[in-house]
Amino acid sequence: GAVVSQHPSWVICKSGTSVKIECRSLDFQATTMFWYRQFPKQSLMLMATSNEGSKATYEQGVEKDKFLINHASLTLSTLTVTSAHPEDSSFYICSARVAGGFRTGELFFGEGSRLTVL
Amino acid sequence: AQTVTQSQPEMSVQEAETVTLSCTYDTSESDYYLFWYKQPPSRQMILVIRQEAYKQQNATENRFSVNFQKAAKSFSLKISDSQLGDAAMYFCAWGTSGTYKYIFGTGTRLKVLA
Repeated sequence: GAVVSQHPSWVICKSGTSVKIECRSLDFQATTMFWYRQFPKQSLMLMATSNEGSKATYEQGVEKDKFLINHASLTLSTLTVTSAHPEDSSFYICSARVAGGFRTGELFFGEGSRLTVL
Repeated sequence: AQTVTQSQPEMSVQEAETVTLSCTYDTSESDYYLFWYKQPPSRQMILVIRQEAYKQQNATENRFSVNFQKAAKSFSLKISDSQLGDAAMYFCAWGTSGTYKYIFGTGTRLKVLA
């Protein structure tokens, strides 16, 4: 149980285009999802917190107009990288917490999505 | 602000031997969780072990165990009988059941030598 899936796992796009990455909780409802960015050989940096039905909360230094997050349902959050540039190339990971139930503090992670901007 | 520090960028261990990965953290919270995650080359984050701060007993999961020293704010991971499949990047993380916002350490790359 508690499976989180990301799609696509790898995307290559041209500079200036927009790319959408999906994060789905397959067997549970997730009121809150988190988006991270990971550069090669570095740690995960939290970009934003995505709450179902409300606006995302962005961490300091993250451009909310560049990284659009939508959490339209209890099982889907999307990250859209708008007008992508080569410096946006990175590995993006989402995670989700199970809605309701006992607070375990545990998050479930997707497989990640590698974005390469040419 | 919370911080998590992993002072060992890389560690090596012989197959079947034991290795300990270090992690220290700083927080003013009293109720929190600590985690060790494994990230193999596939980049999928895999939960290795979890510790609730209010529990004094150290968590164990088969060959994996932790040494949780709350007063010292230390949370080390011991891997016994190391296997080739244990080779990966290991991240220590701090989190709460309030915000669920994790703070990750910089990671330790573990190499297992045959």
